[in-house]
Amino acid sequence: DQQVKQNSPSLSVQEGRISILNCDYTNSMFDYFLWYKKYPAEGPTFLISISSIKDKNEDGRFTVFLNKSAKHLSLHIVPSQPGDSAVYFCAARVSGTYKYIFGTGTRLKVLA
Amino acid sequence: SQTIHQWPATLVQPVGSPLSLECTVEGTSNPNLYWYRQAAGRGLQLLFYSVGIGQISSEVPQNLSASRPQDRQFILSSKKLLLSDSGFYLCAWSVLGSSPLHFGNGTRLTVT
Repeated sequence: DQQVKQNSPSLSVQEGRISILNCDYTNSMFDYFLWYKKYPAEGPTFLISISSIKDKNEDGRFTVFLNKSAKHLSLHIVPSQPGDSAVYFCAARVSGTYKYIFGTGTRLKVLA
Repeated sequence: SQTIHQWPATLVQPVGSPLSLECTVEGTSNPNLYWYRQAAGRGLQLLFYSVGIGQISSEVPQNLSASRPQDRQFILSSKKLLLSDSGFYLCAWSVLGSSPLHFGNGTRLTVT
Protein backbone atom coordinates (compact mmCIF):
# COMPACT_ATOMS: atom_id res chain seq x y z
CA ASP A 1 0.00 0.00 0.00
CA GLN A 2 1.35 3.39 -0.97
CA GLN A 3 0.56 5.83 1.79
CA VAL A 4 1.76 9.23 2.84
CA LYS A 5 0.74 10.34 6.32
CA GLN A 6 0.70 13.67 8.12
CA ASN A 7 -0.18 12.79 11.68
CA SER A 8 -0.48 16.34 12.99
CA PRO A 9 -3.63 18.04 11.71
CA SER A 10 -2.58 21.41 13.09
CA LEU A 11 0.39 23.36 14.43
CA SER A 12 0.74 26.80 16.01
CA VAL A 13 4.03 28.68 16.09
CA GLN A 14 5.09 32.14 17.19
CA GLU A 15 6.26 34.54 14.51
CA GLY A 16 10.02 34.40 14.07
CA ARG A 17 10.35 30.86 15.45
CA ILE A 18 10.89 27.66 13.52
CA SER A 19 7.96 25.69 12.10
CA ILE A 20 8.54 21.97 11.64
CA LEU A 21 6.02 19.99 9.62
CA ASN A 22 6.31 16.23 9.47
CA CYS A 23 5.34 13.51 7.05
CA ASP A 24 5.77 9.72 7.13
CA TYR A 25 5.48 7.26 4.29
CA THR A 26 4.80 3.56 4.48
CA ASN A 27 6.92 1.99 1.78
CA SER A 28 10.12 2.62 -0.10
CA MET A 29 8.64 2.87 -3.58
CA PHE A 30 8.77 6.66 -3.72
CA ASP A 31 11.56 8.48 -5.57
CA TYR A 32 10.62 12.15 -5.28
CA PHE A 33 9.08 14.09 -2.41
CA LEU A 34 7.41 17.50 -2.40
CA TRP A 35 5.81 20.06 -0.12
CA TYR A 36 2.88 22.26 -1.06
CA LYS A 37 1.16 25.19 0.60
CA LYS A 38 -2.57 25.72 0.20
CA TYR A 39 -4.88 28.60 1.02
CA PRO A 40 -8.67 28.07 1.19
CA ALA A 41 -10.45 27.93 -2.17
CA GLU A 42 -7.14 27.91 -4.07
CA GLY A 43 -5.01 25.24 -5.65
CA PRO A 44 -1.89 24.08 -3.79
CA THR A 45 1.32 25.97 -4.53
CA PHE A 46 4.59 24.11 -4.89
CA LEU A 47 7.18 25.02 -2.22
CA ILE A 48 10.16 22.69 -2.34
CA SER A 49 11.09 19.17 -3.34
CA ILE A 50 13.77 16.56 -2.76
CA SER A 51 14.93 13.52 -4.65
CA SER A 52 15.22 10.22 -2.82
CA ILE A 53 18.99 10.23 -3.41
CA LYS A 54 19.42 13.33 -1.25
CA ASP A 55 18.79 14.02 2.42
CA LYS A 56 18.44 17.80 2.46
CA ASN A 57 17.37 20.61 0.19
CA GLU A 58 17.19 24.32 1.01
CA ASP A 59 15.40 27.21 -0.64
CA GLY A 60 15.44 30.45 1.30
CA ARG A 61 13.48 30.05 4.51
CA PHE A 62 12.40 26.51 3.57
CA THR A 63 14.43 23.35 4.13
CA VAL A 64 13.25 19.82 3.47
CA PHE A 65 14.89 16.85 5.20
CA LEU A 66 14.54 13.24 4.09
CA ASN A 67 15.35 10.34 6.40
CA LYS A 68 15.00 7.25 4.25
CA SER A 69 15.72 4.73 6.99
CA ALA A 70 12.88 6.19 9.07
CA LYS A 71 10.69 6.85 6.02
CA HIS A 72 10.26 10.37 7.29
CA LEU A 73 10.12 13.75 5.59
CA SER A 74 10.07 17.14 7.28
CA LEU A 75 9.75 20.77 6.26
CA HIS A 76 11.45 23.49 8.31
CA ILE A 77 10.39 27.09 7.94
CA VAL A 78 12.75 29.62 9.53
CA PRO A 79 11.82 32.25 10.51
CA SER A 80 8.08 31.71 10.44
CA GLN A 81 5.92 34.59 9.26
CA PRO A 82 2.18 35.24 9.60
CA GLY A 83 1.86 34.86 5.82
CA ASP A 84 3.01 31.26 6.18
CA SER A 85 -0.32 30.42 7.82
CA ALA A 86 -1.91 27.87 5.50
CA VAL A 87 -2.42 24.14 5.06
CA TYR A 88 0.74 22.26 4.09
CA PHE A 89 0.67 19.01 2.16
CA CYS A 90 3.50 16.59 1.63
CA ALA A 91 3.47 14.45 -1.49
CA ALA A 92 5.47 11.59 -2.93
CA ARG A 93 5.87 10.22 -6.41
CA VAL A 94 5.66 6.47 -6.92
CA SER A 95 8.91 5.22 -8.47
CA GLY A 96 8.72 4.50 -12.18
CA THR A 97 5.39 6.28 -12.56
CA TYR A 98 3.95 9.77 -12.75
CA LYS A 99 1.61 9.10 -9.87
CA TYR A 100 1.79 11.52 -6.92
CA ILE A 101 0.30 10.59 -3.55
CA PHE A 102 -0.58 13.34 -1.07
CA GLY A 103 -0.86 13.41 2.69
CA THR A 104 -3.90 14.74 4.53
CA GLY A 105 -2.35 18.11 5.32
CA THR A 106 -1.26 20.08 8.40
CA ARG A 107 -2.78 23.45 9.16
CA LEU A 108 -0.06 25.86 10.26
CA LYS A 109 -0.95 29.00 12.16
CA VAL A 110 1.82 31.53 12.74
CA LEU A 111 0.95 33.86 15.59
CA ALA A 112 2.04 37.49 15.44
CA SER B 1 5.44 30.69 -19.21
CA GLN B 2 3.05 27.88 -18.49
CA THR B 3 -0.46 28.48 -17.22
CA ILE B 4 -3.34 26.23 -16.29
CA HIS B 5 -6.97 27.15 -16.62
CA GLN B 6 -9.74 25.34 -14.82
CA TRP B 7 -13.43 26.14 -14.94
CA PRO B 8 -15.95 26.75 -13.60
CA ALA B 9 -14.76 28.01 -10.22
CA THR B 10 -17.96 26.94 -8.47
CA LEU B 11 -20.77 24.64 -9.46
CA VAL B 12 -23.98 23.53 -7.77
CA GLN B 13 -25.62 20.50 -9.35
CA PRO B 14 -28.57 18.29 -8.33
CA VAL B 15 -28.12 14.61 -7.63
CA GLY B 16 -28.40 12.59 -10.82
CA SER B 17 -27.33 15.38 -13.13
CA PRO B 18 -24.30 15.11 -15.44
CA LEU B 19 -20.96 16.80 -14.86
CA SER B 20 -18.25 18.18 -17.10
CA LEU B 21 -15.21 20.00 -15.72
CA GLU B 22 -12.57 21.24 -18.12
CA CYS B 23 -8.90 21.99 -17.70
CA THR B 24 -6.43 23.34 -20.23
CA VAL B 25 -2.72 24.00 -20.02
CA GLU B 26 -0.83 26.59 -22.05
CA GLY B 27 2.85 27.05 -22.69
CA THR B 28 4.00 23.44 -22.66
CA SER B 29 3.70 20.39 -24.88
CA ASN B 30 2.78 16.84 -23.92
CA PRO B 31 2.25 17.54 -20.22
CA ASN B 32 1.18 14.91 -17.73
CA LEU B 33 -2.30 15.86 -16.55
CA TYR B 34 -4.07 15.04 -13.30
CA TRP B 35 -7.41 15.30 -11.55
CA TYR B 36 -7.46 15.39 -7.75
CA ARG B 37 -10.32 15.84 -5.31
CA GLN B 38 -10.27 17.30 -1.83
CA ALA B 39 -13.34 16.34 0.16
CA ALA B 40 -14.26 18.43 3.20
CA GLY B 41 -11.57 18.05 5.86
CA ARG B 42 -9.66 15.51 3.80
CA GLY B 43 -6.41 15.36 1.88
CA LEU B 44 -5.91 15.35 -1.87
CA GLN B 45 -7.15 12.18 -3.49
CA LEU B 46 -5.78 11.26 -6.92
CA LEU B 47 -8.65 10.46 -9.29
CA PHE B 48 -7.08 10.22 -12.76
CA TYR B 49 -3.84 10.96 -14.50
CA SER B 50 -2.81 10.99 -18.13
CA VAL B 51 0.61 10.83 -19.79
CA GLY B 52 -0.70 11.37 -23.32
CA ILE B 53 -3.73 11.80 -25.54
CA GLY B 54 -6.19 8.98 -24.94
CA GLN B 55 -4.08 7.50 -22.10
CA ILE B 56 -6.00 7.66 -18.83
CA SER B 57 -5.11 5.93 -15.56
CA SER B 58 -7.96 5.63 -13.09
CA GLU B 59 -7.10 5.49 -9.42
CA VAL B 60 -10.50 5.41 -7.76
CA PRO B 61 -13.41 3.26 -8.99
CA GLN B 62 -16.49 5.44 -8.97
CA ASN B 63 -18.97 7.13 -11.26
CA LEU B 64 -16.44 9.65 -12.58
CA SER B 65 -14.52 9.39 -15.83
CA ALA B 66 -11.79 11.41 -17.51
CA SER B 67 -10.88 12.09 -21.10
CA ARG B 68 -8.02 13.80 -22.89
CA PRO B 69 -9.24 14.76 -26.33
CA GLN B 70 -6.30 17.09 -27.03
CA ASP B 71 -2.71 17.27 -25.80
CA ARG B 72 -3.34 20.05 -23.30
CA GLN B 73 -7.00 19.45 -22.44
CA PHE B 74 -8.27 17.24 -19.65
CA ILE B 75 -11.96 16.72 -18.90
CA LEU B 76 -13.62 15.20 -15.84
CA SER B 77 -17.13 13.86 -16.37
CA SER B 78 -19.96 12.06 -14.71
CA LYS B 79 -23.23 10.80 -16.16
CA LYS B 80 -25.07 10.96 -12.83
CA LEU B 81 -23.75 12.83 -9.81
CA LEU B 82 -23.99 11.48 -6.28
CA LEU B 83 -24.04 13.49 -3.06
CA SER B 84 -20.64 12.00 -2.25
CA ASP B 85 -19.18 13.64 -5.37
CA SER B 86 -19.23 17.02 -3.62
CA GLY B 87 -15.76 18.43 -3.09
CA PHE B 88 -13.00 20.62 -4.41
CA TYR B 89 -11.70 19.36 -7.74
CA LEU B 90 -8.20 20.25 -8.80
CA CYS B 91 -6.50 19.87 -12.14
CA ALA B 92 -2.71 19.75 -12.29
CA TRP B 93 0.10 19.30 -14.80
CA SER B 94 3.73 18.26 -14.81
CA VAL B 95 6.44 17.52 -17.33
CA LEU B 96 8.85 14.61 -17.59
CA GLY B 97 11.60 14.08 -15.06
CA SER B 98 11.67 15.32 -11.49
CA SER B 99 9.09 17.98 -12.00
CA PRO B 100 6.55 19.15 -9.43
CA LEU B 101 2.83 19.24 -10.08
CA HIS B 102 1.36 22.65 -10.80
CA PHE B 103 -2.26 23.11 -9.85
CA GLY B 104 -5.14 25.13 -11.16
CA ASN B 105 -7.37 27.16 -8.87
CA GLY B 106 -9.91 24.37 -8.50
CA THR B 107 -13.66 23.91 -8.88
CA ARG B 108 -15.90 23.79 -5.83
CA LEU B 109 -18.65 21.27 -6.66
CA THR B 110 -21.71 21.00 -4.43
CA VAL B 111 -24.16 18.24 -5.22
CA THR B 112 -27.59 18.91 -3.70
